[in-house]
Amino acid sequence: NAGVMQNPRHLVRRRGQEARLRCSPMKGHSHVYWYRQLPEEGLKFMVYLQKENIIDESGMPKERFSAEFPKEGPSILRIQQVVRGDSAAYFCASSPPEGRGQPQHFGDGTRLSIL
Amino acid sequence: DQQVKQNSPSLSVQEGRISILNCDYTNSMFDYFLWYKKYPAEGPTFLISISSIKDKNEDGRFTVFLNKSAKHLSLHIVPSQPGDSAVYFCAALVSYNTDKLIFGTGTRLQVFP
Repeated sequence: NAGVMQNPRHLVRRRGQEARLRCSPMKGHSHVYWYRQLPEEGLKFMVYLQKENIIDESGMPKERFSAEFPKEGPSILRIQQVVRGDSAAYFCASSPPEGRGQPQHFGDGTRLSIL
Repeated sequence: DQQVKQNSPSLSVQEGRISILNCDYTNSMFDYFLWYKKYPAEGPTFLISISSIKDKNEDGRFTVFLNKSAKHLSLHIVPSQPGDSAVYFCAALVSYNTDKLIFGTGTRLQVFP
């Protein structure tokens, strides 16, 4: 499967715990995006990364949320001290480096549930 | 501030007929518009896009029309098939800074036999 891979598909955490969501982009893609979808809503942009660089984090909550895309390995979205409101589907997308307007390809998401 | 709006939460169409999904936007700086299709428990799948310098793009059964003066775009699916039943998201590309997508809230299309 050469698509965007996200794991885990489902993640359950108790309030106050940490959640780590992983995303491996499509082969050859160097741009990674994270989006969050709350129930009955559209996807909301969170952060855009290239290898070892955060390009745009304007959609990230100021506290508890962080993202990275290291030189080696998958991109990680980390949520510290989770709260009930963090329950959502988190989608990762990737696109090639050829330039603007290349469609983003999405993974199947991680569904985060906070008890 | 909802910059991309899909005012119809649902649409029901008979198999073989045309499905028309609509989308309105407010930001005249958008460079590209994209349509994604989403099945439950899956990620969005890219369908078709259009540049702001064009007014029509066609790919098989899917055609997207862009009316820049009205800040309106639509996706036409013809003929509609039961497998087209899904949620369709309109998205706009903000190009002056990054490639982040701004999504509408989606329209659930049901194609019945």
